[in-house]
Amino acid sequence: NAGVTQTPKFQVLKTGQSMTLQCAQDMNHNSMYWYRQDPGMGLRLIYYSASEGTTDKGEVPNGYNVSRLNKREFSLRLESAAPSQTSVYFCASSPGTGYEQYFGPGTRLTVT
Amino acid sequence: RKEVEQDPGPFNVPEGATVAFNCTYSNSASQSFFWYRQDCRKEPKLLMSVYSSGNEDGRFTAQLNRASQYISLLIRDSKLSDSATYLCVVNSASKIIFGSGTRLSIRP
Repeated sequence: NAGVTQTPKFQVLKTGQSMTLQCAQDMNHNSMYWYRQDPGMGLRLIYYSASEGTTDKGEVPNGYNVSRLNKREFSLRLESAAPSQTSVYFCASSPGTGYEQYFGPGTRLTVT
Repeated sequence: RKEVEQDPGPFNVPEGATVAFNCTYSNSASQSFFWYRQDCRKEPKLLMSVYSSGNEDGRFTAQLNRASQYISLLIRDSKLSDSATYLCVVNSASKIIFGSGTRLSIRP
């Protein structure tokens, strides 16, 4: 089992460009999450999906959209990237909300 | 007051020492608790869940004190490979809240 996979691993964007970060899990988990982590700081929840077909805002949703494509896949879209979105993005999944989460390896995004 | 608070450290201890950190949480109705470790430039990984009665996994012991609203992590006989950031995680009303982490550095 691969667990949680994320693509791409690295990305450089210019201000105003758009892109989609992909995440997939093979653990049959119901819940999936997107976090960002800035240097020297903790994880901040962007959006989450408690179950297939639902999505909810987290702590820092502005500038992002998400799609829960099916039970396995949860994507994060930046419509118009800004330098403030330079960060490491982690996707995670869990059996349900409130249970332990398992993280993907992260996407390192730089917006110039 | 933050919902989950940790001493950011760094804790700098010699190899073989015992080290402990606490994490306090504000919601007395919090239901489940976890410790994660995060290595530099890597994803957080689940270290252990924290049970009401306390639990041990090798050199690691986790305890929960509901009366004082904190959880603790004790590492015995510390190894160089234990150097990492340790994240406290609290489930509060089905919302998972991550602490900012405590940095641990083990020196030879």
